[in-house]
Amino acid sequence: SQQGEEDPQALSIQEGENATMNCSYKTSINNLQWYRQNSGRGLVHLILIRSNEREKHSGRLRVTLDTSKKSSSLLITASRAADTASYFCATEGEYGNKLVFGAGTILRVKS
Amino acid sequence: EAGVVQSPRYKIIEKKQPVAFWCNPISGHNTLYWYRQNLGQGPELLIRYENEEAVDDSQLPKDRFSAERLKGVDSTLKIQPAELGDSAVYLCASSLDGREGSYEQYFGPGTRLTVT
Repeated sequence: SQQGEEDPQALSIQEGENATMNCSYKTSINNLQWYRQNSGRGLVHLILIRSNEREKHSGRLRVTLDTSKKSSSLLITASRAADTASYFCATEGEYGNKLVFGAGTILRVKS
Repeated sequence: EAGVVQSPRYKIIEKKQPVAFWCNPISGHNTLYWYRQNLGQGPELLIRYENEEAVDDSQLPKDRFSAERLKGVDSTLKIQPAELGDSAVYLCASSLDGREGSYEQYFGPGTRLTVT
């Protein structure tokens, strides 16, 4: 079963625009991770945010976490065509390092 | 540094046939995972190893699936016999010792299995 639900399911934007994807989950977590998957490089880890953190940055990525709402968002600024991929959130529960993935958001960046 | 290696990349078999997937994790990573990813879905964990020990195999369909990680390095996942519903991408991932904290997982390219 999948805990995380990404929203939207698909997103199409122009190069240079920002892209925001949201993730909601159901149970308490130890951390939440975002991964990217495209046909060229497979599934790649982007960023990890722990349950006691509220915001984290990595290059053009900004992740927020609201544990009271059980939600997270991933912002990609100044998008590029190479950002075209599926983006998954994955949650790690409080009592183990089992990652549970959502169904993903398909992002298409048009040049 | 080499990433997670998986083989084969693609496999087409007829139903009821056996199939095996092989994974070599990143050197030094004690934790190894097998996931199954159906089309349009995120990966779902099948089994997790800490060294040679399978510490979470609750999602592994044990009637037809088996896995082993001899010597705590390479791992093999087997399906026997395969069913049409087993068509999916099988992903292997590894990470540093998860017992000590939360680490990112590094994924291999996967094996795309088609059962006809």
